[in-house]
Amino acid sequence: GAVVSQHPSWVICKSGTSVKIECRSLDFQATTMFWYRQFPKQSLMLMATSNEGSKATYEQGVEKDKFLINHASLTLSTLTVTSAHPEDSSFYICSAPPERYNEQFFGPGTRLTVL
Amino acid sequence: TQLLEQSPQFLSIQEGENLTVYCNSSSVFSSLQWYRQEPGEGPVLLVTVVTGGEVKKLKRLTFQFGDARKDSSLHITAAQPGDTGLYLCAGARSYNTDKLIFGTGTRLQVFP
Repeated sequence: GAVVSQHPSWVICKSGTSVKIECRSLDFQATTMFWYRQFPKQSLMLMATSNEGSKATYEQGVEKDKFLINHASLTLSTLTVTSAHPEDSSFYICSAPPERYNEQFFGPGTRLTVL
Repeated sequence: TQLLEQSPQFLSIQEGENLTVYCNSSSVFSSLQWYRQEPGEGPVLLVTVVTGGEVKKLKRLTFQFGDARKDSSLHITAAQPGDTGLYLCAGARSYNTDKLIFGTGTRLQVFP
């Protein structure tokens, strides 16, 4: 199956700092990638759609200036949480559809803790 | 607004029991997937169903897509502790979009 990686797997930072999370498709190209956020014991919430070579599309209620997304190549998308605060602490997961429509493969997730 | 409601939210059973998880919506989906997620990991795709009334089997797991493509179910026969995890359904609203809407999730615990 298709493989999607994320880096780092976990990060702890001080309030006010920025954190960058990478999402890579290892064995396929992805013109689209998705970023999700998951709070403990809850389902996934779609934050934004990352589009290669163009601006990301954000879901309603997600601050685009706070969650910067860059999709500079067909295998890499990055999510930068700017000026992180404790309420941004969460599990961030990316996904990408390899071939067929509507199927997605997920990265292992990044646990962000903001102190 | 959560378009996909799963039930039950939590399920705690003994090894060997059977169970069914439901995924319901008032909206039509072009396809629906089921995922299983373990703590600290990303969801893993179990199956995709695309045709109304479709039934797919994966060993002890049976997946069904409703005739009207508004609902789905996951049935596990003779559950094992290794089945423990968060089960998520996710639907796509149209064939030309990759965007998925996730269900509310069902947390399953299987005790030995």
